[in-house]
Amino acid sequence: NAGVTQTPKFRVLKTGQSMTLLCAQDMNHEYMYWYRQDPGMGLRLIHYSVGEGTTAKGEVPDGYNVSRLKKQNFLLGLESAAPSQTSVYFCASSFLRVATPASSYNEQFFGPGTRLTVL
Amino acid sequence: GQQLNQSPQSMFIQEGEDVSMNCTSSSIFNTWLWYKQDPGEGPVLLIALYKAGELTSNGRLTAQFGITRKDSFLNISASIPSDVGIYFCAGRKNTGTASKLTFGTGTRLQVTL
Repeated sequence: NAGVTQTPKFRVLKTGQSMTLLCAQDMNHEYMYWYRQDPGMGLRLIHYSVGEGTTAKGEVPDGYNVSRLKKQNFLLGLESAAPSQTSVYFCASSFLRVATPASSYNEQFFGPGTRLTVL
Repeated sequence: GQQLNQSPQSMFIQEGEDVSMNCTSSSIFNTWLWYKQDPGEGPVLLIALYKAGELTSNGRLTAQFGITRKDSFLNISASIPSDVGIYFCAGRKNTGTASKLTFGTGTRLQVTL
């Protein structure tokens, strides 16, 4: 199992350019998430998905769009990149929480991150 | 949006020393998690806590779910160089259908030989 993978690992954009970050997981997880990590801020949730074809806004969704056309993939798009979007982006996935004893098995697994710089 | 307060923000310790860090919140969480992030990598789950007062160990790591549900603590015993990294706490309120987490601001641990 590769777990959670992210493409690309690094990217430099000019202000106004667009790009798509790809997240893929091979653990058959229902839930997928996109976070951004900024110095001193921890991780903040951008968007998430509870299943194929569904997406929802997180804490900081402005300037981003997402799509989940396949269960194993979650795409994060920047339509018009801004310097404020310079950050490290992490994708995560997890199983659907059901009425079973709480277990770390249900917790989020993270990808290795994408470092994005917007000039 | 809310973020959890972690302290200390950073710490230098000598190899072999014990380490303590904590995470506090103004609101109640029903799950507390501790993640470690190595440089250039994503966070990796260390310990998960699901009951108030729960004390759980993972090797040299021990974490506790505060009795008030507003805090959690992580201890590392006999630190070694590979303990270097950023430690994040995360809390979940278990509301809604998605397993959303609120993350702390992180504690950066550096070990001197």
